[in-house]
Amino acid sequence: GAGVSQSPSNKVTEKGKDVELRCDPISGHTALYWYRQSLGQGLEFLIYFQGNSAPDKSGLPSDRFSAERTGGSVSTLTIQRTQQEDSAVYLCASTISPSGKTGELFFGEGSRLTVL
Amino acid sequence: KNQVEQSPQSLIILEGKNCTLQCNYTVSPFSNLRWYKQDTGRGPVSLTIMTFSENTKSNGRYTATLDADTKQSSLHITASQLSDSASYICVVSGGSARQLTFGSGTQLTVLP
Repeated sequence: GAGVSQSPSNKVTEKGKDVELRCDPISGHTALYWYRQSLGQGLEFLIYFQGNSAPDKSGLPSDRFSAERTGGSVSTLTIQRTQQEDSAVYLCASTISPSGKTGELFFGEGSRLTVL
Repeated sequence: KNQVEQSPQSLIILEGKNCTLQCNYTVSPFSNLRWYKQDTGRGPVSLTIMTFSENTKSNGRYTATLDADTKQSSLHITASQLSDSASYICVVSGGSARQLTFGSGTQLTVLP
């Protein structure tokens, strides 16, 4: 596809369950970001992948959160033992990142997670 | 600590009117500043980018300014339309792809 694709678009789960959110970035984009956006709030950085480098996980709020990026393309964000405070929209963005400078971020439509 | 502050937090204007959104930042080093528009339920979309040497840049009815000395940027919207209703987010980039600092956004509502 032409843009960043995220799935599912909506996910309702029960407290304590695990969830997986998927991001398919724009082909050729080496950098991929995950952000969390709570209702009416700004974007909160979670994790950043750049090429084959070790990911920057400094934004993950707890060890219940993890993410991987396979083959430098598709990324999965996993939240284990979900809590109600995990309810938010999870946004994925990708960009071409030449020479370490930040290009335009292209965002997906987000995955809205609701934990009951 | 790198910070980006936006004002006002929310703004309501009538269709056809102009408005100006503000962004103040304390980010170092500074690489560029982008304004994004986020429609409800959608991901943010870039409107314009400002680099250190640029003072003004226009994109249709949107005009962004940057004062690198005072570390302030503004986004001016001319002749507002109902479709301008959205959250406008200021994002400042530091020296690396990881160093992005987001503002909390200004929620703009344009009424008929």
